[in-house]
Amino acid sequence: GNSVTQMEGPVTLSEEAFLTINCTYTATGYPSLFWYVQYPGEGLQLLLKATKADDKGSNKGFEATYRKETTSFHLEKGSVQVSDSAVYFCALVPAGTASKLTFGTGTRLQVTL
Amino acid sequence: NAGVTQTPKFQVLKTGQSMTLQCAQDMNHNSMYWYRQDPGMGLRLIYYSASEGTTDKGEVPNGYNVSRLNKREFSLRLESAAPSQTSVYFCASSGTSGPTGELFFGEGSRLTVL
Repeated sequence: GNSVTQMEGPVTLSEEAFLTINCTYTATGYPSLFWYVQYPGEGLQLLLKATKADDKGSNKGFEATYRKETTSFHLEKGSVQVSDSAVYFCALVPAGTASKLTFGTGTRLQVTL
Repeated sequence: NAGVTQTPKFQVLKTGQSMTLQCAQDMNHNSMYWYRQDPGMGLRLIYYSASEGTTDKGEVPNGYNVSRLNKREFSLRLESAAPSQTSVYFCASSGTSGPTGELFFGEGSRLTVL
């Protein structure tokens, strides 16, 4: 079946540090891939997405590249801020289906001054 | 800009009690979803409704029922609550039937079953 594996958290970084959160997936064909972010006390919101191999999704300084050869979609940001502290979820939608997302377990990011 | 609204935000039940979580969206979306979020397990789909008048089971439907009352509203009912249903519940909606994957989430409902 389809699955998403994320690195375990929490990830603790100082402000302005470089961020990488790893995400790998298992799915047949070419799924669409997503990163969602959940700020404290809120619901999830879409951060970025990529719908085909080698696509790069980007938003708010975050980037992720769809790597079919390594089945990965790692999230990166060059310089994190305290306001980036949140839980980040990697997710996929299998090719040819409606929007029934499969989520990873989430990675908590804590950024300190 | 209300988006997706869930009620109640917090609820404590005793084992065996029943309750209904309400969800409404004002974005004219066709599809609506109920997820539960548990530590270390991410979000798991309970039920979804691809369009008004249809509902389908997700990954973890046991112990739950749903009603798509109209295009705006999608409720989740626990007929006889169990401690294993202690969780945070999220309602979500999406506007397309294609695989765009952009779901809009409510703020969540935290349920504790004693």
